[in-house]
Amino acid sequence: ETGVTQSPTHLIKTRGQQVTLRCSSQSGHNTVSWYQQALGQGPQFIFQYYREEENGRGNFPPRFSGLQFPNYSSELNVNALELDDSALYLCASSQTGGWTDTQYFGPGTRLTVL
Amino acid sequence: KQEVTQIPAALSVPEGENLVLNCSFTDSAIYNLQWFRQDPGKGLTSLLLIQSSQREQTSGRLNASLDKSSGRSTLYIAASQPGDSATYLCAVRGSGAGSYQLTFGKGTKLSVIP
Repeated sequence: ETGVTQSPTHLIKTRGQQVTLRCSSQSGHNTVSWYQQALGQGPQFIFQYYREEENGRGNFPPRFSGLQFPNYSSELNVNALELDDSALYLCASSQTGGWTDTQYFGPGTRLTVL
Repeated sequence: KQEVTQIPAALSVPEGENLVLNCSFTDSAIYNLQWFRQDPGKGLTSLLLIQSSQREQTSGRLNASLDKSSGRSTLYIAASQPGDSATYLCAVRGSGAGSYQLTFGKGTKLSVIP
């Protein structure tokens, strides 16, 4: 069974640029969530995708957007990067999106905005 | 709005000691609570998931308890080892409108000294 994978591992961008982060969910999982973790903080929920539709969103501006593909992999896109966007971005998948499911996290993408 | 607090923020113990990490949450209307481990700069590893109807879960040297009515959970680690050194995060999944997201604490950074 393949776990959650994310790419790239590290990324450096400059303010104002756009970035795309990728996530492959664990085999058999149809729900993907994205989280932002600033240094020394707990992860903050960005949004969740279930069967290619966004079905929940946290307190993040519209320049944070996403996609889920038919194979349940997912992308997180961030436009007009700001310095405060520097963080570890974590992707998590679960089997059905049900509230009792365990969430399995990937290794994360470390984004640095200069 | 659900808030999760973890105390202490950091803990240093000698190898072999038993220890308890604490997690409290403000809204007792939750589906479940999950404990994670995070190594520096890495993703999250799920340790234990306790459903709201359960009182505790055990896995090896780890035991987590949940008192939903008082908004508290504890993670007990028996016979600590240097390999247990990591940051431990607890997260709750609320019921109602916020049920699609996990709300995290900031974590407890554990150092086990050989």
